[in-house]
Amino acid sequence: DAKTTQPPSMDCAEGRAANLPCNHSTISGNEYVYWYRQIHSQGPQYIIHGLKNNETNEMASLIITEDRKSSTLILPHATLRDTAVYYCIVRVNTNAGKSTFGDGTTLTVKP
Amino acid sequence: EPEVTQTPSHQVTQMGQEVILRCVPISNHLYFYWYRQILGQKVEFLVSFYNNEISEKSEIFDDQFSVERPDGSNFTLKIRSTKLEDSAMYFCASSVRGGTGELFFGEGSRLTVL
Repeated sequence: DAKTTQPPSMDCAEGRAANLPCNHSTISGNEYVYWYRQIHSQGPQYIIHGLKNNETNEMASLIITEDRKSSTLILPHATLRDTAVYYCIVRVNTNAGKSTFGDGTTLTVKP
Repeated sequence: EPEVTQTPSHQVTQMGQEVILRCVPISNHLYFYWYRQILGQKVEFLVSFYNNEISEKSEIFDDQFSVERPDGSNFTLKIRSTKLEDSAMYFCASSVRGGTGELFFGEGSRLTVL
């Protein structure tokens, strides 16, 4: 699986958009970008994933650059409950579920 | 909303004892996983399981570890002879499909080895 680089921490004001970047410059053509988050010590929670097109669901949007070397997770209206560690994971789509979690970005949403 | 459930939430054991951690995956899911997270460290993949056999395992998943789906609903992780360094949060996950399937994680079982 390709290596990812994320900033260790970010702050965001409540109600504002949180934009979390991820660099995956060595991504291969058959690798997907996944985002998970972990609130305190709970189990990781799936957020969104994509291959090359931008994706949106009820939780977030995922913007992948045209060269696929980086992506941004957008939480459109961050709330205090969005405070968590956010993990960007690149995974081969033929891999039976092994996901390599890095250190992630600790997002702190402030009132 | 369907969820992955894990028991026990916390288990304390003596070094050398056997431990079984239990998981009930989401009912229509076919792929099952165990991950662990030592306090303050990264979430680490242990093993994936599909069609009643191990699909992939990490270097951590040595002979002291085993997994089983004994009755079509439970998915268990057994540690035969626990060591101090096995103290961690153990997360079970399941997915509808492998490959691009998103993982649904349980809340974890905290194992403390004394």
